[in-house]
Amino acid sequence: ETGVTQTPRHLVMGMTNKKSLKCEQHLGHNAMYWYKQSAKKPLELMFVYNFKEQTENNSVPSRFSPECPNSSHLFLHLHTLQPEDSALYLCASSQGGRVTGELFFGEGSRLTVL
Amino acid sequence: GDSVTQMEGPVTLSEEAFLTINCTYTATGYPSLFWYVQYPGEGLQLLLKATKADDKGSNKGFEATYRKETTSFHLEKGSVQVSDSAVYFCALSELQGAQKLVFGQGTRLTINP
Repeated sequence: ETGVTQTPRHLVMGMTNKKSLKCEQHLGHNAMYWYKQSAKKPLELMFVYNFKEQTENNSVPSRFSPECPNSSHLFLHLHTLQPEDSALYLCASSQGGRVTGELFFGEGSRLTVL
Repeated sequence: GDSVTQMEGPVTLSEEAFLTINCTYTATGYPSLFWYVQYPGEGLQLLLKATKADDKGSNKGFEATYRKETTSFHLEKGSVQVSDSAVYFCALSELQGAQKLVFGQGTRLTINP
């Protein structure tokens, strides 16, 4: 069983829908991340939460809204998305504080926007 | 800003061939360097890392050496197996703030029996 669990694994939504992606980590980590993985592009860091506080917003459009209610859970709320937002959304976690570099990733949520 | 450039893929090799996947980076400081691997249908997982110049990271027969003079961190394996088929990502960590990783675009590797 993976230490980082993402649901749903697959999501299809229209441009007017509102949906949410969920991430849960069972590793006791204090930092959580959302990355976007698109075909033929580098992974794009979207948001970072460190000890439940958002420490990074990488110029992400407001139609993506993160929520981190505690150190174990991270959500990505989606509304009024565009077809170009179709991608694999990866959640990751790590120990907070000093950089060690190892992120633990979930298997991703494959999003298709029609 | 900091960036990572990997060799274009896809790469297709026969089993037991020698593998090199090139990675170069641009950074203002002295980052740590990483290789992550993504097997089909799975998330990324750390393969190896190096935290300072001339360090060699190794794992599962893979190696990479942190070369500051050429700003490179090429991944190598002497004899690949079919099970090594995956997407490989080179990454660097910025030293400020939380554990922010900057990734390359990934290189898809296919090993044929």
